[in-house]
Amino acid sequence: DGGITQSPKYLFRKEGQNVTLSCEQNLNHDAMYWYRQDPGQGLRLIYYSQIVNDFQKGDIAEGYSVSREKKESFPLTVTSAQKNPTAFYLCATAKFSYYEQYFGPGTRLTVT
Amino acid sequence: AQKITQTQPGMFVQEKEAVTLDCTYDTSDQSYGLFWYKQPSSGEMIFLIYQGSYDEQNATEGRYSLNFQKARKSANLVISASQLGDSAMYFCAMREGEDSNYQLIWGAGTKLIIKP
Repeated sequence: DGGITQSPKYLFRKEGQNVTLSCEQNLNHDAMYWYRQDPGQGLRLIYYSQIVNDFQKGDIAEGYSVSREKKESFPLTVTSAQKNPTAFYLCATAKFSYYEQYFGPGTRLTVT
Repeated sequence: AQKITQTQPGMFVQEKEAVTLDCTYDTSDQSYGLFWYKQPSSGEMIFLIYQGSYDEQNATEGRYSLNFQKARKSANLVISASQLGDSAMYFCAMREGEDSNYQLIWGAGTKLIIKP
């Protein structure tokens, strides 16, 4: 059963703590992406990776970090340096970077 | 300047009617792609339809079609025979060429509500 999984669906953290959001895919897609969505707004790109062991910053990378050690996995760490981390985080994959992107179910992060 | 503009923040449509969601774009690339996604209240983004800049025919996928007018730089989504389950946010996105690493540029979205 191919797909993209993000866990957990809801995540609560205290301010000042780092938190890692999981994104796993078994679609054998090369490209993976992390987006942030704030209420009533569109998507903003945080980081993306077109191939294993390589990734690039998107428009709002400050306060975030990623790794791509395996093709199937692209975890996102929200660090304490991120000023407003409360948001909905979506992971996406694409067979190649110029193909359509497919999205996971998202993780809603709340930091208090 | 906005690269993707969705001018309708919200729309109400009667069930079974057709609905057109507007999207205009701005690019100087000759090769680009346009995408539409649906986001229900659950949050997941669902890919609906794609149109390439060199495609001569408008894309269609079931009840979805893309009214692509290249000279006007518009890529409107048409949903025929709307259903209650079509109520959602709809996002238009554009992929430019290799220089931009094929990143998607997203519009702000249109909230569509289908009335019974």
